[in-house]
Amino acid sequence: GAVVSQHPSWVICKSGTSVKIECRSLDFQATTMFWYRQFPKQSLMLMATSNEGSKATYEQGVEKDKFLINHASLTLSTLTVTSAHPEDSSFYICSARDLQHNVGEQYFGPGTRLTVT
Amino acid sequence: GESVGLHLPTLSVQEGDNSIINCAYSNSASDYFIWYKQESGKGPQFIIDIRSNMDKRQGQRVTVLLNKTVKHLSLQIAATQPGDSAVYFCAENKYNQGGKLIFGQGTELSVKP
Repeated sequence: GAVVSQHPSWVICKSGTSVKIECRSLDFQATTMFWYRQFPKQSLMLMATSNEGSKATYEQGVEKDKFLINHASLTLSTLTVTSAHPEDSSFYICSARDLQHNVGEQYFGPGTRLTVT
Repeated sequence: GESVGLHLPTLSVQEGDNSIINCAYSNSASDYFIWYKQESGKGPQFIIDIRSNMDKRQGQRVTVLLNKTVKHLSLQIAATQPGDSAVYFCAENKYNQGGKLIFGQGTELSVKP
C-alpha cells in the first residue's frame, strides 16, 4: 500500500511552452501533497504544499504564477510549469500524506524528469 | 536560520562493513527527524524516523541515534550491502507546519564489493 505515482516519468518540451505533471495517490487518500524540485547532485527543495480544495502554499522564492498547482481531489494533484525555460529543467518529485496512518509520514512519487530545450 | 545539514557529501565503504552517516541541525526546537534513501533517478524512500523523546531507534540493519545536546543525528547501517548504495538524506518533519519536510544536503554512499 501507500503508492504514489507520477506522470509522465520524463518529458522534453520547448522553451516557452507549458507542461503538466500529475501526482496520484493510488491506494490511499491524501488531503495534503507536496511538490519538490531537485537539481543534479543536490537535495530536495520544497516548492509548495498542496491541500485538497484550497490554494497551494508556496515556499519563499517560488513563483506561484509560474508553477501552478491544482489539488482537485483527494488522490490527484497537478503541477503545471508555465512558459518553461531551460533553467526549469529539473527533477520534480511529489509526496503525499496518508490520512489513515502516521500523520508524519510522507510517501514519495518516482519523480518526473523535465528537460526544457 | 533553520537548517538541516550533513557533514560529508560522500562515503565509501567496503561491503560487509558498517556505515555511519551524519546529520546536524541548528534549531533546538526541532523534534522529529526522518532518514530517506534515494536511488538514482527515483524518489526518496522512508528508512526510519525518530522523535525527540527518544535517543535511539532501531530498524532492520539500521539504527538512528539522536543527540539533542549537540543537535546531531546519525544513521548507522550494519553489514552494508551493494544494494545500500544511494544518497541518504536526513529531513526534519515540521508537523506543526502542515508536515512539510526540510531536507539536509545528502550523503552519497558507495559500497565497494
